[in-house]
Amino acid sequence: GAVVSQHPSWVICKSGTSVKIECRSLDFQATTMFWYRQFPKQSLMLMATSNEGSKATYEQGVEKDKFLINHASLTLSTLTVTSAHPEDSSFYICSARAPVGYNEQFFGPGTRLTVL
Amino acid sequence: AQSVTQLDSQVPVFEEAPVELRCNYSSSVSVYLFWYVQYPNQGLQLLLKYLSGSTLVKGINGFEAEFNKSQTSFHLRKPSVHISDTAEYFCAAALSGGYNKLIFGAGTRLAVHP
Repeated sequence: GAVVSQHPSWVICKSGTSVKIECRSLDFQATTMFWYRQFPKQSLMLMATSNEGSKATYEQGVEKDKFLINHASLTLSTLTVTSAHPEDSSFYICSARAPVGYNEQFFGPGTRLTVL
Repeated sequence: AQSVTQLDSQVPVFEEAPVELRCNYSSSVSVYLFWYVQYPNQGLQLLLKYLSGSTLVKGINGFEAEFNKSQTSFHLRKPSVHISDTAEYFCAAALSGGYNKLIFGAGTRLAVHP
């Protein structure tokens, strides 16, 4: 199956700083990637849909200026949490639209963000 | 609006016993349904999916699920669980293919005891 990686797997930062998380499709091209947020013991909430070469589509209630998404190539999407605060601490998971024929998404391993 | 409900937040079970994790969806149109498993601090792994055709779907690790349109359910079953099946399980639905926007249920924590 297709592989999606995320980097870093975990990050700790100080309040007020910005953090960038990378999502890569390793062996296929992904025109669409998705970013999810998961709080402890809760489900995944879709934050935004990232399309290569165009602006991301954000879900209702997600701050566009807070969570910057850039899908610069067919294999890379980045999520930047700007001016992070402790309430941004969460598990961030990306997924990539699978190649034709799979009819599913492939998920990355997630990134644990802790803001002190 | 489309929604997915997982009826049990936690399911404790003894090793080698059968288990059923329940999932109901609400949608007035056809949906595609998925079950994912998540181990601690990891991403999601697809167990199985229903797109069309046979209502009984077999997945990996001995899991299967049955799509019931009249009851709008997609329950996950395994006849004999192992300790290694301890994980969080998520049911998800999509309106237009599994490669598009997924709506997740709240998750069910399966705890297998020796």
